[in-house]
Amino acid sequence: EVQLVESGGGLAQPGGSLRLSCAASGFILSRNWMSWVRQAPGKGLEWVANIKQDGSEKYYVDSVKGRFTISRDNAKNSLYLQMSSLRAEDTAVYYCARARVPTAASYYFDYWGQGTLVTVSS
Amino acid sequence: SYELTQPPSVSVSPGQTARITCSGDALPKQYAYWYQQKPGQAPVLVIYKDSERPSGIPERLSGSSSGTTVTLTISGVQAEDEADYYCQSVDSSGPYVVFGGGTKLTVL
Repeated sequence: EVQLVESGGGLAQPGGSLRLSCAASGFILSRNWMSWVRQAPGKGLEWVANIKQDGSEKYYVDSVKGRFTISRDNAKNSLYLQMSSLRAEDTAVYYCARARVPTAASYYFDYWGQGTLVTVSS
Repeated sequence: SYELTQPPSVSVSPGQTARITCSGDALPKQYAYWYQQKPGQAPVLVIYKDSERPSGIPERLSGSSSGTTVTLTISGVQAEDEADYYCQSVDSSGPYVVFGGGTKLTVL
């Protein structure tokens, strides 16, 4: 059974940092693109970042470029999101998601974790 | 930047058909995907590649595509279908993922 379990969320001050982790099980992490998606309280889904199977390609939404870094450790079956220079508008539930990329025109999420809440406030 | 547009809300009575649309300029060239999200839960993939249904998703949920609009259709709506639904696609320049704003389906 595929499972994705996020951790590392919590309260951070504006300008501060947090590192999110996602523990993957039930599948071979190294065979999949992985992503982070967030959802601000009462708002819709927002894609944050993607990372290729071997970590050689990374993509970010404009609002987090230069502040967030997605990474992975396939040997530890783990995905990470290092967040720095945090802003109030980064407050959200952050989901780890397994991606499927069957063609260049396709990218979607077939499994999601339950999410971890990040609150940025002084 | 690329955008997908959904109606904020759709309301139907039990047993009727609900249609949720999603519009985007790149949809004729890029596949669309649909997710269902119930309160306090993670999203669940319900339609992929415009019209394919993952295993375990009821047959009453279906997807279609026409030009710049894709549609999620729920036939014979049940109370358990009440949820937020999001369409998703990618920007043609790369794996830059875009979500629609979401549609709240209310079962009257």
